[in-house]
Order: sequence, then structure tokens, then C-alpha cells
Amino acid sequence: DVKVTQSSRYLVKRTGEKVFLECVQDMDHENMFWYRQDPGLGLRLIYFSYDVKMKEKGDIPEGYSVSREKKERFSLILESASTNQTSMYLCASTTRAPAETQYFGPGTRLLVL
Amino acid sequence: LAKTTQPISMDSYEGQEVNITCSHNNIATNDYITWYQQFPSQGPRFIIQGYKTKVTNEVASLFIPADRKSSTLSLPRVSLSDTAVYYCLVGSGNTGKLIFGQGTTLQVKP
Repeated sequence: DVKVTQSSRYLVKRTGEKVFLECVQDMDHENMFWYRQDPGLGLRLIYFSYDVKMKEKGDIPEGYSVSREKKERFSLILESASTNQTSMYLCASTTRAPAETQYFGPGTRLLVL
Repeated sequence: LAKTTQPISMDSYEGQEVNITCSHNNIATNDYITWYQQFPSQGPRFIIQGYKTKVTNEVASLFIPADRKSSTLSLPRVSLSDTAVYYCLVGSGNTGKLIFGQGTTLQVKP
């Protein structure tokens, strides 16, 4: 059974803080993704990575960066958190093969005060 | 990747069949169609996936016409536990990248 885990379920940070969200998958998947989910907007892709040290911007990369130093771990970084980054953050992974299912983590609900 | 358009919300009653239609006019040749289900405070969960014609599994059926510009998720005999948000996605057959739409909130009533 595929497992995608995220470091925290709930996080409260202050404006201007640097925030790290960690995601780990145990299925040797090549592709990993970070989404944010907001009411009325659905899931929006922030960044994805198709290999170690490789990344590609999604639809809303502004204010975020990512790190993929190891295949199983994909980190989302908020360099200077702002209140408009309060959201639910979801990590997902999949193999590189075409048409493969994405497996999602449980999500991290981030509140920036 | 093609954007998807689906109804914002739908209501149904227990035991009924529910059909949710999604349009994806700009779908490319190598793209595929996937549907996910999401309950509150959980990550989305895969339901079904297809490329063309009809796909059926133990949970749902997916109908895709020949032009592939739309698809319909069919849930047979829904129950209260099927109340959730359903997302239609187009995925790239080349990169595996998925783009989510806004989703359809299905409310099943007793």
C-alpha cells in the first residue's frame, strides 16, 4: 500500500517566518507534487518534481520554492510566510509511467497569523 | 494541459444513480481522464481513470465519447457515504502532470 506522509497535520506560523513542509513517499515514485487547496478554488498545483533535483513550476509558484534532494522526499518552502498563504497543502506522488494514479498525503493545514 | 469544467454542486438521494459530466475541450492526444473523490480533511482518493470509451470498476463507471471532449462519471446506487467532492482531471500522458478543476460537491440525502 502506497504511503505518502506529511510532516504536520496542522501548523501555525507568523508572518515573515520561513516555513518548511515535508513530504515523504515510500513507493520509489519519480514524480512528486505540491498543491494548495482553498475553498471555491479546488486544488492548484504549486510545483512538481519529476526526478531528484529536478523541479517544474505549476500554476501558482509565486512565494514558494521546493527542494528534492532525495527521491522519497519533496519539501515545500515558504521563504517569508504571508497571511494569503494560509491554506491546506497537499503532497502527492506517482510513477513516471503515463496515466499512473496520484497518491495523496493527508494534507497540512497551515495558518499564517 | 486541458482545463476541466464540471458542475459546482449536485444533490441526490440514497439508492439513485448519479452522473457527473465534465468537459475538457482542449484535451490532447496523449492526455487521459481521471476522477478523484475527496472527503473533508483528507487528501483526494483515486476513483477511476480512462482514455476512451467505457471503463468500469467496483466503484464507478467512466464514459468517454469518441471526441474525448467530455467524460461522465457514473456512481450506481449512491449512499450517504458518497457525499464528497468529485474532481475531474486531465493528466498528461507524457509527464504525469495533473491539473485539478474546481470539483463537484455531491450531497446525498436520505
